[in-house]
Amino acid sequence: KAGVTQTPRYLIKTRGQQVTLSCSPISGHRSVSWYQQTPGQGLQFLFEYFSETQRNKGNFPGRFSGRQFSNSRSEMNVSTLELGDSALYLCASQPTGRWETQYFGPGTRLLVL
Amino acid sequence: AQKITQTQPGMFVQEKEAVTLDCTYDTSDPSYGLFWYKQPSSGEMIFLIYQGSYDQQNATEGRYSLNFQKARKSANLVISASQLGDSAMYFCAMREILSGSARQLTFGSGTQLTVLP
Repeated sequence: KAGVTQTPRYLIKTRGQQVTLSCSPISGHRSVSWYQQTPGQGLQFLFEYFSETQRNKGNFPGRFSGRQFSNSRSEMNVSTLELGDSALYLCASQPTGRWETQYFGPGTRLLVL
Repeated sequence: AQKITQTQPGMFVQEKEAVTLDCTYDTSDPSYGLFWYKQPSSGEMIFLIYQGSYDQQNATEGRYSLNFQKARKSANLVISASQLGDSAMYFCAMREILSGSARQLTFGSGTQLTVLP
């Protein structure tokens, strides 16, 4: 079975631009979560989607949004990028009802200049 | 308040020796899960081991074992027979279960483990 895939792997943007990151979960997994990792704040939860519905949201400004498609693939969008949005964005998927397992993708490294 | 505390920013261990990475947690929920992940320099989070709050026995997965002391709210990771490839950042995480629904993972600040030849 293929693992969680994230595209692109690396991205450079400038302040004020917007960016869209994509995550394809493991086949059969309907839950997708997003996390932001920075040296200063560590790993922080962004949001979780299940069956195209946002089930949980972290404490991030409205510039951060996401969605999930009917095939469980998920995208997250960051509008009006700030320097502080430079981070590793990690996506994780889990099988339905199996909350003791959460598998992560390789991440997308975003650099905002 | 910090929900997950990892007090060792960095640890060194000699190859083939055992090492313990500390983790304490804070929750008032009776139902929760504790996780350990390994993050090499490539960035991917690799799942290592899981312990449920109601599990009676300590979890083990190959060279990894979780020393779960519920009363002390600690969930230390023990790596036996360290290998050079074990050098990485290690994160402890917790997931609380509320009304049968799992919340998000809350991570500690991590411990950078270096295995010396």
